[in-house]
Amino acid sequence: SQQGEEDPQALSIQEGENATMNCSYKTSINNLQWYRQNSGRGLVHLILIRSNEREKHSGRLRVTLDTSKKSSSLLITASRAADTASYFCAPPAGEKLTFGTGTRLTIIP
Amino acid sequence: SQTIHQWPATLVQPVGSPLSLECTVEGTSNPNLYWYRQAAGRGLQLLFYSVGIGQISSEVPQNLSASRPQDRQFILSSKKLLLSDSGFYLCAWSAYGDGGYTFGSGTRLTVV
Repeated sequence: SQQGEEDPQALSIQEGENATMNCSYKTSINNLQWYRQNSGRGLVHLILIRSNEREKHSGRLRVTLDTSKKSSSLLITASRAADTASYFCAPPAGEKLTFGTGTRLTIIP
Repeated sequence: SQTIHQWPATLVQPVGSPLSLECTVEGTSNPNLYWYRQAAGRGLQLLFYSVGIGQISSEVPQNLSASRPQDRQFILSSKKLLLSDSGFYLCAWSAYGDGGYTFGSGTRLTVV
């Protein structure tokens, strides 16, 4: 069944560095979404990239999508302490979004 | 603007007791509604979703049920809680189509 799988499971970087997270999925999609979850909170929608897009930017976020490899990446540039959170990719499966276990990102001040 | 309300924020319930978690959405009509559960350090598991009043789809067999008595109200229930029902429950809504989801702030349920 469709489910996003994020890699790495955990990532620690120094503040100011760039963070890259990867996502793989199984079946063809119309779009792919990325979400952030701060500890103990709900998820926040970050960005949606459609299947006919290869790259999309939103502020310090850059998302790429390679439908031939069924993969996506999320790049956060110039990281800040407030970026510490878990990040999930979510490929849709019909009316539903499926989530993996996420990448736990820690920004070290 | 659209908002989603989920309550309570935390809940401690004994094994065998009933459960009712409520989620309401404001500022939109005919939303798709979802209940997810997240175990500690794990991903989100979709429990139920609804594309309309009275229309509930169950994703996994479990001790829980869901109802949608009104267009913008989604309720998660159990008649008798199990220890394994502990977790972080999240409600979400989306507009029809392939738009992003908006999540509630979640309910931390501990069954003791």
